[in-house]
Amino acid sequence: DSGVTQTPKHLITATGQRVTLRCSPRSGDLSVYWYQQSLDQGLQFLIQYYNGEERAKGNILERFSAQQFPDLHSELNLSSLELGDSALYFCASSPRTDRTEAFFGQGTRLTVV
Amino acid sequence: GENVEQHPSTLSVQEGDSAVIKCTYSDSASNYFPWYKQELGKRPQLIIDIRSNVGEKKDQRIAVTLNKTAKHFSLHITETQPEDSAVYFCAASGVGSNYQLIWGAGTKLIIKP
Repeated sequence: DSGVTQTPKHLITATGQRVTLRCSPRSGDLSVYWYQQSLDQGLQFLIQYYNGEERAKGNILERFSAQQFPDLHSELNLSSLELGDSALYFCASSPRTDRTEAFFGQGTRLTVV
Repeated sequence: GENVEQHPSTLSVQEGDSAVIKCTYSDSASNYFPWYKQELGKRPQLIIDIRSNVGEKKDQRIAVTLNKTAKHFSLHITETQPEDSAVYFCAASGVGSNYQLIWGAGTKLIIKP
């Protein structure tokens, strides 16, 4: 167990809908990352938050947004969902932003039908 | 910005043989190089990492080597076992990437019985 908790584990929703994925980082970790992994693909970095503030953005669509709350948990909001958004969404946390390993949650498998 | 290339994309080795996966990076300022293992449907897990002040690091059957001059680092797995079958990702980070982990595309390692 990495100590990073993601909910829900599975989510099935229809095209056009909006969903929220939740991540609780390891105790004491200030940095949270979100990744998208489509079937048999690599890890696509979406966005990073550090201590409540957005720190870096990757290839995140405008339909997607995220935030990190004062208690350091983070939410990824996906709206106007399309079939191509079906993927595993991972959250990872690390203590700082530099030269430290990232610990991954078990992921949320999103299926858009 | 930083770019990480990983080869090969698929590697098939006989059980008991060694496996080597290589990554090259572009930013000479990168100073942290982790390797993650991802079993099917599971989270990526850190298996070993190396920092730029070290040339080699070992942990039982796995080792990582770093050649800063050539800007490449490699994962070596000896005496491979069926449970080594997984996708392996390398990554690099440093000041040039604003300490973001820049990921390789992954290597699918298949251990043949």
